[in-house]
Amino acid sequence: QLQLQESGPGLLRPSETLSLNCTVAGDSISSRSYYWAWIRQPPEMGLEWIGSRYYSGSTYFSPSLKSRVTMSVDPSKNRFSLRLDSVTAADTAVYFCAATTVYDSIRGTYYLPRYFDYWGPGILVTVSS
Amino acid sequence: QSALTQPASVSGSPGQSITISCTGITTVDDGYNYVSWYQKHPGKAPKLIVYDVDNRPSGVSGRFSASRSGNTASLTISGLQTEDEAEYYCNSFTNSYTYVFGGGTSVSVL
Repeated sequence: QLQLQESGPGLLRPSETLSLNCTVAGDSISSRSYYWAWIRQPPEMGLEWIGSRYYSGSTYFSPSLKSRVTMSVDPSKNRFSLRLDSVTAADTAVYFCAATTVYDSIRGTYYLPRYFDYWGPGILVTVSS
Repeated sequence: QSALTQPASVSGSPGQSITISCTGITTVDDGYNYVSWYQKHPGKAPKLIVYDVDNRPSGVSGRFSASRSGNTASLTISGLQTEDEAEYYCNSFTNSYTYVFGGGTSVSVL
């Protein structure tokens, strides 16, 4: 069972860069069994997928955020990170890190990363001058 | 793919059944249906309750069932309980390895 925990600053000024970490417990961040993802929820709004990354380095981003988003991993700290450049008030949200299981060890089968089965508790990031 | 459309709110009395719709689903080129549903209580992380249209993860109550017809997916909660009061989100995985969420449906137990 994975456990995920977000960390990072809770308050940013407009135009600054948002940097969040997600520390993973229960398996290696370098495992082939998972995709790692970021999802956010602005106040009074719905969930929005930001991006996903596989151990191989393959990354996929929301078309609306692609120009400002970077995802990376730090195997030494068993965590993955989100970087969002040039933030505005519209980026105020609770940010969740999540994981998608893609390998069934019982069947020895890989699957597409088609849902998010592990989530962190979320971290509120406010962008305000 | 544009955001998926869900009703803003659905309500029911304890013991009743309610259904939440999610329209705008497109089929992945290989013909598989990658629709998932999440339950979210205020201040908590979302919880996966249905995947691949109509499969429940281990530990999820059998009162949750789901289906798909054409471009609409549906989640039904049977035997409604007060603990079911939450936001519910559908999600579609696309063939470009991107994801689209529905706008969310607030479920109230009267």
